[in-house]
Amino acid sequence: DSGVTQTPKHLITATGQRVTLRCSPRSGDLSVYWYQQSLDQGLQFLIQYYNGEERAKGNILERFSAQQFPDLHSELNLSSLELGDSALYFCASSVDQRGYTDTQYFGPGTRLTVL
Amino acid sequence: GENVEQHPSTLSVQEGDSAVIKCTYSDSASNYFPWYKQELGKRPQLIIDIRSNVGEKKDQRIAVTLNKTAKHFSLHITETQPEDSAVYFCAASKAYRGTDKLIFGTGTRLQVFP
Repeated sequence: DSGVTQTPKHLITATGQRVTLRCSPRSGDLSVYWYQQSLDQGLQFLIQYYNGEERAKGNILERFSAQQFPDLHSELNLSSLELGDSALYFCASSVDQRGYTDTQYFGPGTRLTVL
Repeated sequence: GENVEQHPSTLSVQEGDSAVIKCTYSDSASNYFPWYKQELGKRPQLIIDIRSNVGEKKDQRIAVTLNKTAKHFSLHITETQPEDSAVYFCAASKAYRGTDKLIFGTGTRLQVFP
């Protein structure tokens, strides 16, 4: 157990719908990262938050958004869902010391299936 | 842009043999190189990592080597066991403007046959 929690574990929804994925980082970790894992794209960085502020964006679609709350949990919102959005979505967290790359610990993931 | 290439995509070995997975990164400013093991349907788990100020690191049966000049790093697993069977991902990162996102390789499926 990495200490990072994600809910829900599985999500099945229809095209056009909107879903919210939730992540709670390890105690003491300030940074949260979201990654998408699909069969043809591998593990792709989506977005990073640090202590409530957006820190970096990857190839995240405009239909996707995220935020980090004062208690440091984060939510990834996916809207106008398409079949191609079906994937495993992982959250990771790290302490994130300035100028130093810390280990990222991954949560168990949310498997999203869009029908 | 930033890119990490990983080879081979699949690797089959006999129990007790060694396995080597190789990665090449494009961004010369990368300074942190973790390796993750992922079992089917589970989260990626860090197994070993190396920073750019070190050329080699070992942890029991697992070792990683880094060649900064060639922008190349490798994972070595000795005395492989069936429980080593999984998908292994290399990644590269750099601390830049406050972000240290991981750029992952495409993964290597390792199968260890008893």
